[in-house]
Amino acid sequence: DTAVSQTPKYLVTQMGNDKSIKCEQNLGHDTMYWYKQDSKKFLKIMFSYNNKELIINETVPNRFSPKSPDKAHLNLHINSLELGDSAVYFCASSQGRGPLYGYTFGSGTRLTVV
Amino acid sequence: EDQVTQSPEALRLQEGESSSLNCSYTVSGLRGLFWYRQDPGKGPEFLFTLYSAGEEKEKERLKATLTKKESFLHITAPKPEDSATYLCAVQAGLTGGGNKLTFGTGTQLKVEL
Repeated sequence: DTAVSQTPKYLVTQMGNDKSIKCEQNLGHDTMYWYKQDSKKFLKIMFSYNNKELIINETVPNRFSPKSPDKAHLNLHINSLELGDSAVYFCASSQGRGPLYGYTFGSGTRLTVV
Repeated sequence: EDQVTQSPEALRLQEGESSSLNCSYTVSGLRGLFWYRQDPGKGPEFLFTLYSAGEEKEKERLKATLTKKESFLHITAPKPEDSATYLCAVQAGLTGGGNKLTFGTGTQLKVEL
């Protein structure tokens, strides 16, 4: 019955590899997000999609590419992984076009690049 | 640029010892100020949204208040299960950033018996 589910929960990979993280929400929300949380617990937005339309694209290396096949799914593909990409990546969703009613977050994907 | 600063970074309380967490913000046209709770290994959990100065919201032992420059999260008679990181975030309305939240780095609260 998970509202926002992410897979995998843990991801350990070598520098230079390409990896994907998947996110699905069953809340019927219109907007989905990717956030990155660094080692100091700072959460920073990366991307946002509203009904499959990209509406936020923060200053993120173009090695990161989001894809939203439908409004219930938002995936994150990362090319040529670097050590600095190690972090916890959170998917979130919200009603409407913004977060005024609060986000619902997934449980995160801990990415470790070695 | 929108900024959120939370203090203290860490707080240790005895069970029953009330205290407050602070969130100072700078934003162009506040649309909403949010409080989240994050437990280790989990995603943040939504607690409150405050929209205008003077507004207050309560949930069990937590009470959030808002002024034009800061928000406080008051914890009354805390219990060990209140131990978590509390995150503050703002949504701006005037700079086109209306669809995202800007977070602070959180206050890590530990409540001991």
